[in-house]
Amino acid sequence: DQQVKQNSPSLSVQEGRISILNCDYTNSMFDYFLWYKKYPAEGPTFLISISSIKDKNEDGRFTVFLNKSAKHLSLHIVPSQPGDSAVYFCAATSGYALNFGKGTSLLVTP
Amino acid sequence: AAGVIQSPRHLIKEKRETATLKCYPIPRHDTVYWYQQGPGQDPQFLISFYEKMQSDKGSIPDRFSAQQFSDYHSELNMSSLELGDSALYFCASNRGASSYEQYFGPGTRLTVT
Repeated sequence: DQQVKQNSPSLSVQEGRISILNCDYTNSMFDYFLWYKKYPAEGPTFLISISSIKDKNEDGRFTVFLNKSAKHLSLHIVPSQPGDSAVYFCAATSGYALNFGKGTSLLVTP
Repeated sequence: AAGVIQSPRHLIKEKRETATLKCYPIPRHDTVYWYQQGPGQDPQFLISFYEKMQSDKGSIPDRFSAQQFSDYHSELNMSSLELGDSALYFCASNRGASSYEQYFGPGTRLTVT
């Protein structure tokens, strides 16, 4: 069963605007959450993470928000750039294994 | 900065053959993870090793085995290959005792014909 869900398979945003990617999880044992960016024919690249004891983590243009009561997290990219176009995976863990969502394909148009 | 190295990058095998995939973690990383990504799917965790001992096990078929060696590199051995084993296989590494973030290699694309 899919414990991490990304319900939007794709998202299109104009350059300079905000991109918001969403992720939901079902397992309350998850205590650490990560976002990865993936280009075709490459491995996932770590972007940003957040511990369950926090509700926000920021790194440059990327901010991750965690709402534990709703079991929901989101990744905000501001401002979006054409180079951000890729597949974004949400992942969650309670130890070793990462549990991934199915990914959201982001297209940033000029 | 040094990254995770995987070899080979591409591998073509026939049904019932065996395959060995290799992973060289980032220097000073002691934990290695293996994931399988089928077409259009999310990466699925197979198995992990911390300090050369198996640390966690996921949906790894009994036909597959893996180990981590004294230099921390890892090998995934796959026997009696089936068409459904065709996938991208990723290796990731980190310092397992102090970090949740995993750093992925470029993957090995296995095609079983």
